[in-house]
Amino acid sequence: NAGVTQTPKFQVLKTGQSMTLQCAQDMNHEYMSWYRQDPGMGLRLIHYSVGAGITDQGEVPNGYNVSRSTTEDFPLRLLSAAPSQTSVYFCASGGGNSPLHFGNGTRLTVT
Amino acid sequence: AQKITQTQPGMFVQEKEAVTLDCTYDTSDPSYGLFWYKQPSSGEMIFLIYQGSYDQQNATEGRYSLNFQKARKSANLVISASQLGDSAMYFCAMREMNTGFQKLVFGTGTRLLVSP
Repeated sequence: NAGVTQTPKFQVLKTGQSMTLQCAQDMNHEYMSWYRQDPGMGLRLIHYSVGAGITDQGEVPNGYNVSRSTTEDFPLRLLSAAPSQTSVYFCASGGGNSPLHFGNGTRLTVT
Repeated sequence: AQKITQTQPGMFVQEKEAVTLDCTYDTSDPSYGLFWYKQPSSGEMIFLIYQGSYDQQNATEGRYSLNFQKARKSANLVISASQLGDSAMYFCAMREMNTGFQKLVFGTGTRLLVSP
């Protein structure tokens, strides 16, 4: 009963490097989303998807790309990492009047 | 646009006492859902309670209850009989069902500290 699986748990990048945060869910949820959490700012929505092939921007999309080729997977790509992207990233799935199920988070540091 | 406001950055409560964490929201969608999540120091997000905009009764889940005042657009979380394990960050969140494309928008959170 995996729920939402996020990898990696920790990552250190140098400025300008690219990487992909992986997210997979096994609950057959149509809705998936990515958030970043910074001190004092709560969770801010980066991108979300309401089904395979459908994605849209959230509140803070700049510097990030997503795609949704399957219902299960929703990877987040950092195109050229910047120190401002140092944060904790959460993937979540679920929708309607059901609560979101969250992954355990990825702590990213960009130096 | 949907918006959630949590005005209490930090709250202190003694063990076994009740505490209320404030949350106000703003939306023009008549159909919406309100959620509370707990984030302990270990970092995971734990769902606590849900209230739908058309629900007639206030939601309750064990020691958690949601004081839903629709006209005032508030959805305060009440924790009864606080325990040391309740020390955590608490986030209020809202989803607009008709216009929000299922997005869940969060407030900035309240850090609760329960003392013995």
